[in-house]
Amino acid sequence: EVQLLESGGGLVQPGGSLRLSCAASGFTFGTYTMNWVRQAPGKGLEWVSSIIGDVDATWYADSVKGRFTISRDYSKNTLYLQLDSLRAEDTAIYYCVKTIVPQQAYFDSWGQGTLVTVSS
Amino acid sequence: EIVLTQSPATLSLSPGERATLSCRASQSVTTKLAWYQQKPGQAPRLLIYDASTRATGIPARFSGTGSGTDFTLTISSLEPEDFAVYYCQHRANWPLTFGGGTKVEIK
Repeated sequence: EVQLLESGGGLVQPGGSLRLSCAASGFTFGTYTMNWVRQAPGKGLEWVSSIIGDVDATWYADSVKGRFTISRDYSKNTLYLQLDSLRAEDTAIYYCVKTIVPQQAYFDSWGQGTLVTVSS
Repeated sequence: EIVLTQSPATLSLSPGERATLSCRASQSVTTKLAWYQQKPGQAPRLLIYDASTRATGIPARFSGTGSGTDFTLTISSLEPEDFAVYYCQHRANWPLTFGGGTKVEIK
């Protein structure tokens, strides 16, 4: 059974930083494209970032490019998202998401989400 | 960036009725489109991918059609558990984007 367990969310001031983690199990972690998708309170879904399995190519939404960094630790089966220069509009639930097959960006397994709140 | 526009924003229907949801892309995504269902307090669930392929465990009352720029999700006969918000998403190129969602509510 696929399990994705996020952690690291919390309250941070504007301009601050956080690192989100996602512990993955139940599948061959290194093979799959892994992703972060967020949802602001009461709003729709927004793709944030992806890291392609095996090659570690990364992609970012324009809204976070240059401020967020996605990475993975193959030895720990863990996905990360480093959030820097945080803004109020980054407030959201951040979901760790696995793709349905390694190289196709459809999202078939989702974590429970971790809430990031950016406020002074 | 490909913009996905979903309509209507809200669909008010009764159980047993047919629901037809639309997703229009600002440029062709061929058939690289998925549909998700999200209930309050839950993570989204993948329903349909490649425009018309049902994901594992998804009931046959859910079907997807379309290609290019126009896509439809049909729920043939609404069950009480189907009242939720539905999103489309493309994977044609980067950045990936989602539509704004359609809420299917009980009339």
